[in-house]
Amino acid sequence: DADVTQTPRNRITKTGKRIMLECSQTKGHDRMYWYRQDPGLGLRLIYYSFDVKDINKGEISDGYSVSRQAQAKFSLSLESAIPNQTALYFCATSGTPGLAGEGSRSDTQYFGPGTRLTVL
Amino acid sequence: QKEVEQDPGPLSVPEGAIVSLNCTYSNSAFQYFMWYRQYSRKGPELLMYTYSSGNKEDGRFTAQVDKSSKYISLFIRDSQPSDSATYLCAMSVGDYKLTFGKGTLLTVNP
Repeated sequence: DADVTQTPRNRITKTGKRIMLECSQTKGHDRMYWYRQDPGLGLRLIYYSFDVKDINKGEISDGYSVSRQAQAKFSLSLESAIPNQTALYFCATSGTPGLAGEGSRSDTQYFGPGTRLTVL
Repeated sequence: QKEVEQDPGPLSVPEGAIVSLNCTYSNSAFQYFMWYRQYSRKGPELLMYTYSSGNKEDGRFTAQVDKSSKYISLFIRDSQPSDSATYLCAMSVGDYKLTFGKGTLLTVNP
């Protein structure tokens, strides 16, 4: 089974609809992230959470909200979807702080398979 | 100026070629450097991880970091068609957030 799963994998919706994208992980990581990927713009951070009670906005949080239901679950909501939110959405996780310096992998993020969202 | 600059390509090479992929950055506080590989319709996966300056080799892949020039590279030797993917550089100051380049699309032709 995949360590980071996302549901749904594909979604087509209409302008104004509320949409929720879900992410689950079995890696035991504390930190979880939501990104969107657009052609020519790369990966941009929407929200991130360092533990269940710590949620932070990323560079493009307007129009989005999140919920960290448990250590393993992090959901992204679009309260009222608009066409320019059409994109590929990725969830990622990273581990708890390890040893500092050479060889530390605590910054490494592990990505889910993505959700392709189309807003008509 | 973007924090991380990466030529989007596309880059097309024949099988067996040596491939060089590069990123430049402006934030001198970056100290963790990564390369991710993303196949079409898949999530990015970590390929190489480097802390601070220097080289790191893993099979056909070599990652180089030159902090004095704010320049990182990924070299692929004996490239294979299975290496065809988008390659993303990523960097961190150590705050567990990554800043990504836009990715370079590589095609290795048989």
